[in-house]
Amino acid sequence: GEDVEQSLFLSVREGDSSVINCTYTDSSSTYLYWYKQEPGAGLQLLTYIFSNMDMKQDQRLTVLLNKKDKHLSLRIADTQTGDSAIYFCAESIKGYQKVTFGTGTKLQVIP
Amino acid sequence: GAVVSQHPSWVICKSGTSVKIECRSLDFQATTMFWYRQFPKQSLMLMATSNEGSKATYEQGVEKDKFLINHASLTLSTLTVTSAHPEDSSFYICSASYVPGTSGTDTQYFGPGTRLTVL
Repeated sequence: GEDVEQSLFLSVREGDSSVINCTYTDSSSTYLYWYKQEPGAGLQLLTYIFSNMDMKQDQRLTVLLNKKDKHLSLRIADTQTGDSAIYFCAESIKGYQKVTFGTGTKLQVIP
Repeated sequence: GAVVSQHPSWVICKSGTSVKIECRSLDFQATTMFWYRQFPKQSLMLMATSNEGSKATYEQGVEKDKFLINHASLTLSTLTVTSAHPEDSSFYICSASYVPGTSGTDTQYFGPGTRLTVL
């Protein structure tokens, strides 16, 4: 079955870059997502990448995909206190099919 | 972009009562809706997949008689937690998707979630 793993916690200083890592097991995953969840709130889709891509950049966010190692990372440049949240890596085979979420990484930004 | 709403956003109920949560796709027709559950400080776990007009498919370990899902129209799915107990307290999130044709986005859209607290 599908399995998506992340480190549980990351602490960075405001202004530094944050890198959140994720590994997945399902080689048939086509869509790989990063979601943000603030305390008590729902999910916010930050970005996603197709499995035939190596990198995607969107403003302060950079997603890197190593398909051979099934490793996905999210880099947040110039991390701000408003970036403090839980970040979920997720995958699906097709965009309209079920999403399997990772364990979530809590990002703490220190002022 | 596509919007999915949930109602209510939060609910508190007594043990033994039933609670209905609605999930609506506001500006598109959802052929498939998914229900996820998130316990505090944990990830989201898929509970069931519902396709309009047919019975829901439940994930292993999810009691179909306890979590009743109805997907009666292309814009509405409901999750009813029957005889709720404190251990059912959780954050329930739905998502909606449609199989695209020659246009449209091949993705799904999440609702804002419903926080259920059972006393």
